Amino acid sequence: GENVEQHPSTLSVQEGDSAVIKCTYSDSASNYFPWYKQELGKRPQLIIDIRSNVGEKKDQRIAVTLNKTAKHFSLHITETQPEDSAVYFCAAASGGGGNKLTFGTGTQLKVEL
Amino acid sequence: SAVISQKPSRDICQRGTSLTIQCQVDSQVTMMFWYRQQPGQSLTLIATANQGSEATYESGFVIDKFPISRPNLTFSTLTVSNMSPEDSSIYLCSARQGGNQPQHFGDGTRLSIL
Repeated sequence: GENVEQHPSTLSVQEGDSAVIKCTYSDSASNYFPWYKQELGKRPQLIIDIRSNVGEKKDQRIAVTLNKTAKHFSLHITETQPEDSAVYFCAAASGGGGNKLTFGTGTQLKVEL
Repeated sequence: SAVISQKPSRDICQRGTSLTIQCQVDSQVTMMFWYRQQPGQSLTLIATANQGSEATYESGFVIDKFPISRPNLTFSTLTVSNMSPEDSSIYLCSARQGGNQPQHFGDGTRLSIL
C-alpha cells in the first residue's frame, strides 16, 4: 500500500518568513495530493490540493509543488502569520478526487512574533 | 463544500461498552469515510462506508470491532464495540461529493475509555 513520509515534524519560523514542508510517497499510481491544516481541537481543513497532471499550484500565500519522477511534493507558505500556526498534514491517493487518503505524520508549524 | 456534522462531539465510556457515532452530511455525497486520529498522531483510515452494502475495511480494522452502516447518501454510523482504553481516540468522518471533489471532514468525536 501507499506510504507517505513527511518532514519536518516540527517547524518554527519568524513571522513574515517562509515555511516549507516536504512529503514523499511510495505508490507511483498515486495521482492526488491534498494538504490539510488542523488547528488544536479542530477538524482537518483542506488548504490546497494538486493532481499529478500539474507541477505547481498556487493560492495566495500557499503553493504546492509536485515532482512525480522523484515522488515528492511540498507545501510552501510565504509571509507567514501567527494564524498559520497549526499542524499540517500531507496526503496521497489514487483515483482523482481522493478515494482513499494516506496521510503523512504531520508537521507542527509555529510562527513566532 | 458539504457541511458534515458528527454526534456526539465527545464521550467518556466504560470499558466493555459500545458507542455509536453518527455522521450527517447536508447534501448527497458519493463517498463517506471513517478515520481514527490518536492523540498527537496522524489520521488513519478505518474504512470506506458504502451505501447499501458492507463497508470496506483497511488492514488492522475489522467489522466486529468497528461495524459501520450507511443507509443512504447523507448518513453513516460507526460503532466502536467492546471498548478498551486503547480505543481512546478522535474518530473523524469525511465525505466526498464525487468527480474530482476533495474530501472534507467533520469535527470529530473525542472518545475516552476508562
